[in-house]
Amino acid sequence: KQEVTQIPAALSVPEGENLVLNCSFTDSAIYNLQWFRQDPGKGLTSLLLIQSSQREQTSGRLNASLDKSSGRSTLYIAASQPGDSATYLCAVMNTGFQKLVFGTGTRLLVSP
Amino acid sequence: EPEVTQTPSHQVTQMGQEVILRCVPISNHLYFYWYRQILGQKVEFLVSFYNNEISEKSEIFDDQFSVERPDGSNFTLKIRSTKLEDSAMYFCASSGTGRGSNYGYTFGSGTRLTVV
Repeated sequence: KQEVTQIPAALSVPEGENLVLNCSFTDSAIYNLQWFRQDPGKGLTSLLLIQSSQREQTSGRLNASLDKSSGRSTLYIAASQPGDSATYLCAVMNTGFQKLVFGTGTRLLVSP
Repeated sequence: EPEVTQTPSHQVTQMGQEVILRCVPISNHLYFYWYRQILGQKVEFLVSFYNNEISEKSEIFDDQFSVERPDGSNFTLKIRSTKLEDSAMYFCASSGTGRGSNYGYTFGSGTRLTVV
């Protein structure tokens, strides 16, 4: 059974810092991995999607990497801004399934 | 940018009542999903739907739950007799290929269900 873990659970940084969020998963037979952003009481916004054959994806100040064999992904946020404050969720889709298995998230606070 | 639309945004219901949560997926998507998130917990998969039938469901999705695509645009989740533990945020999502390759999943903004 796939288990997804995210560390740290919470992170507080001053504006301008570069930061790394971590995601690990127990079953390496994944089809893809997605990073989402969730604002309080709101829906999930897809940030980056990495296929199992890819090593990384970039969008603006965000870069996500995937190491399938070790069961790890990282989300790198460059030059953080207060508007980046949100909960970041990692989710994996296993090969042969359609569902996403989510981690518990990292709650990020970027202070001005 | 295309959106998944969910209504209502918040619903309060009495225990034992039936509720229907509504979603309008992205029009050219083929796969539709319901997830839920109990306050403070992980987002959990409930069910996926393709070609007018359930393609995958979790152990949470028992006989109290049902899904339907009554017309070409709406996708609904029905809970027949709500329990207190059904209180959660319910998210609808859709994807183009079922593998989320080009678009990934697109989630709606959720319906917060409160059972009293």
